[in-house]
Amino acid sequence: QQQVKQSPQSLIVQKGGIPIINCAYENTAFDYFPWYQQFPGKGPALLIAIRPDVSEKKEGRFTISFNKSAKQFSLHIMDSQPGDSATYFCAASIFGNEKLTFGTGTRLTIIP
Amino acid sequence: DAGITQSPRHKVTETGTPVTLRCHQTENHRYMYWYRQDPGHGLRLIHYSYGVKDTDKGEVSDGYSVSRSKTEDFLLTLESATSSQTSVYFCATLPRSSSGNTIYFGEGSWLTVV
Repeated sequence: QQQVKQSPQSLIVQKGGIPIINCAYENTAFDYFPWYQQFPGKGPALLIAIRPDVSEKKEGRFTISFNKSAKQFSLHIMDSQPGDSATYFCAASIFGNEKLTFGTGTRLTIIP
Repeated sequence: DAGITQSPRHKVTETGTPVTLRCHQTENHRYMYWYRQDPGHGLRLIHYSYGVKDTDKGEVSDGYSVSRSKTEDFLLTLESATSSQTSVYFCATLPRSSSGNTIYFGEGSWLTVV
């Protein structure tokens, strides 16, 4: 049973555009929502994370938007660059719990 | 960077043979994990450990076993490899403080079962 659903599976955006990746979760006990970025041949690395007490969090060009009532959260990349081309995973957990549940990943390609 | 080293990084093995993947960490992190990554499935937890000799199953544990005899080492064993176990395997660690749940990943081990 997939507890975190991620879409789209792949995404192609022109440089400077704003790719948006969406995730939806089922378990209302989840209260920590990180995004991981993975470059080819590498392991995933934490990009940005949010807790549900805020509706938005920005770090540089990356923004998480969170909608608690809809049980959805999304990643926006402002002024996207070819170097942002990677696979992005959303995840969810109960804060303080040692296990993360990951989405299925989005392969993002930014074309010049 | 959490000082995670996985070995081997690439391996081709035959169906029915045993395979052991090793994860070594230098940061004295309490929790260690093994994930597999497959297209369309994302990252799925195989097993995890919350201390020396303390392990538990994840969502896709069938066909896999683990051992953790030292804080720094976490071994994943495929008792009798099958083609369905062809995958990329990632080791991950979490510091003693689970606040924020920042899990650090190794660079992956590519396993092909023929």
